[in-house]
Amino acid sequence: EIVLTQSPVTLSLSPGERATLSCRASQSVSSTYLAWYQQKPGQAPRLLIYGASSRATGIPDRFSGSGSGTDFTLTISRLEPEDFAVYYCQQYGSSPRTFGQGTKVEIK
Amino acid sequence: EVQLVESGGGLVQPGGSLRLSCAASGFTFSSYWMHWVRQAPGKGLVWVSRIKSDGRSTAYADSVKGRFTISRDNAKNTLYLQMNSLRAEDTALYYCARESGYGSTPLDYWGQGTLVTVSS
Repeated sequence: EIVLTQSPVTLSLSPGERATLSCRASQSVSSTYLAWYQQKPGQAPRLLIYGASSRATGIPDRFSGSGSGTDFTLTISRLEPEDFAVYYCQQYGSSPRTFGQGTKVEIK
Repeated sequence: EVQLVESGGGLVQPGGSLRLSCAASGFTFSSYWMHWVRQAPGKGLVWVSRIKSDGRSTAYADSVKGRFTISRDNAKNTLYLQMNSLRAEDTALYYCARESGYGSTPLDYWGQGTLVTVSS
């Protein structure tokens, strides 16, 4: 099983600041098979990024993904009020399709 | 518009059973792989199970293998999760989700979830 470890657990930032979230895999993950999801309180997760760097439909370009091998990054260039949420990475190249434990981006 | 609506959750005693349903609409259900993902209260997302489009192939997390069974009825556009021998640690919000393509693709649509509580 591929274990995904996200850091930091919590990120405290102000609107307009840049957010950098990390997802590290216990073994190499093809970049084709790495996704990021956003989840707001009381809502279902929403797909943001797939294939490590491709934005899903309707996702603003302030969200970007990068990385390869065992290290992946989600960057939010300038935080908007609606971006404060929990973010999860997921690998979907092998079974079981594991998620990271999440990073909460909170208002400072 | 793609819609996934879960139902069937509730309070059940340890050792009991429950069957969850997920009614799909707005897309050709029979063409897509489907998943169940759960989230314990205040915790993160955990993948539970997957079923291919024709229902002939399934996969499970080790934590539910042998106790849970995923199935689908393509004529009724409905996904199921039969949960037996339930434990307290199965308490969670259960989401059904659609896989975006034909295998090894991300989950592009999610339902709102149905809550399962296992307690005496």
